[in-house]
Amino acid sequence: ETGVTQSPTHLIKTRGQQVTLRCSSQSGHNTVSWYQQALGQGPQFIFQYYREEENGRGNFPPRFSGLQFPNYSSELNVNALELDDSALYLCASSPGTSGNNEQFFGPGTRLTVL
Amino acid sequence: AQSVTQLGSHVSVSEGALVLLRCNYSSSVPPYLFWYVQYPNQGLQLLLKYTSAATLVKGINGFEAEFKKSETSFHLTKPSAHMSDAAEYFCAVSDKLRGSGSRLTFGEGTQLTVNP
Repeated sequence: ETGVTQSPTHLIKTRGQQVTLRCSSQSGHNTVSWYQQALGQGPQFIFQYYREEENGRGNFPPRFSGLQFPNYSSELNVNALELDDSALYLCASSPGTSGNNEQFFGPGTRLTVL
Repeated sequence: AQSVTQLGSHVSVSEGALVLLRCNYSSSVPPYLFWYVQYPNQGLQLLLKYTSAATLVKGINGFEAEFKKSETSFHLTKPSAHMSDAAEYFCAVSDKLRGSGSRLTFGEGTQLTVNP
């Protein structure tokens, strides 16, 4: 059974650029959530996708957007990058949207914005 | 919205000593609570979860946590620390989204150092 994978591992961008991060969910999981983890802080919820539809969103501006594909993999897109977007971006998949489901996390993508 | 507070951003113990990491939650409904561990440059791994069954929950690597409604606490313990336990630990509560979804709301984390 393959776990959650993310690509790329590391990424360096400059202010104003756009970035796309990718996530492959664990086999059998139809729900993907994205989190932003700034240095020294706990992860913050960005949004969740369930069966290709956005299922909820945290307190992030519209320049953070996403997609989920029929195979349940997902993308996170960030436009007009700002310095504060520098963080570890974590993807998590789960076998449904119920609150008692474990979310399985990928290793993350480290984004640095210069 | 539900939230968790982790008391102590850094905890240091000697190898073989008791590990106690504190977490208090705020919730208007019976919560689902989780403890995750994060090793350097890695994602999060679930240690254990409370989903309203037994109040004493046993997890991986010898960790356990006790749900205490009267104290709104869900502290993580391990009887004897091992060097490999050094990591960042996060307490989280499951928070309902509009519609059918749920998200995890995390505490700020506790960095555990184990001294030889």
